[in-house]
Amino acid sequence: GDSVTQMEGPVTLSEEAFLTINCTYTATGYPSLFWYVQYPGEGLQLLLKATKADDKGSNKGFEATYRKETTSFHLEKGSVQVSDSAVYFCALRGTSGTYKYIFGTGTRLKVLA
Amino acid sequence: DVKVTQSSRYLVKRTGEKVFLECVQDMDHENMFWYRQDPGLGLRLIYFSYDVKMKEKGDIPEGYSVSREKKERFSLILESASTNQTSMYLCASSGGRRQETQYFGPGTRLLVL
Repeated sequence: GDSVTQMEGPVTLSEEAFLTINCTYTATGYPSLFWYVQYPGEGLQLLLKATKADDKGSNKGFEATYRKETTSFHLEKGSVQVSDSAVYFCALRGTSGTYKYIFGTGTRLKVLA
Repeated sequence: DVKVTQSSRYLVKRTGEKVFLECVQDMDHENMFWYRQDPGLGLRLIYFSYDVKMKEKGDIPEGYSVSREKKERFSLILESASTNQTSMYLCASSGGRRQETQYFGPGTRLLVL
């Protein structure tokens, strides 16, 4: 079945450092791919998404490119801020006709001033 | 903005009690979902519904049931709460087939003693 694998955390960075959080997936066809973010005490909210191969999703300085050849959707940001401290979830929505989403286990990011 | 609300942020119940978790969305979304979130396991789908009075089992439905009598409301029921159901419960909604983004509520942290 479909699955998502993302790097384990926690990831600790200094402010203005470069961020990469790896995400790879297994799915048939061309799933839609998402990054969601969960700030402390809140539910998840969509950060960015891509719906077809080579699409780049971007928002708030974060980017991720849908790579079909490597089945990856890595999240990157050039310069992180303390306010980016949160848990980041990679997710896919499959093409099997159901409405199910598959989420990764989440990566906690802590940014130090 | 889409708003998904959950009836309680924190809940403490005794083993064997019947527990109701309520979720309401205000965007006329067809699809609604219940997840539980546990450290190291990410989000796991309990049940989802793609229409009023319709429901589908997710990956971990055992010990849970759901009710969707109105389009805007999706209830999760723990028939007889157990300690292993202590968790964070997240409700989400999304529009029709072409609307892929899920919108999440703030979550209910349930402690079963």
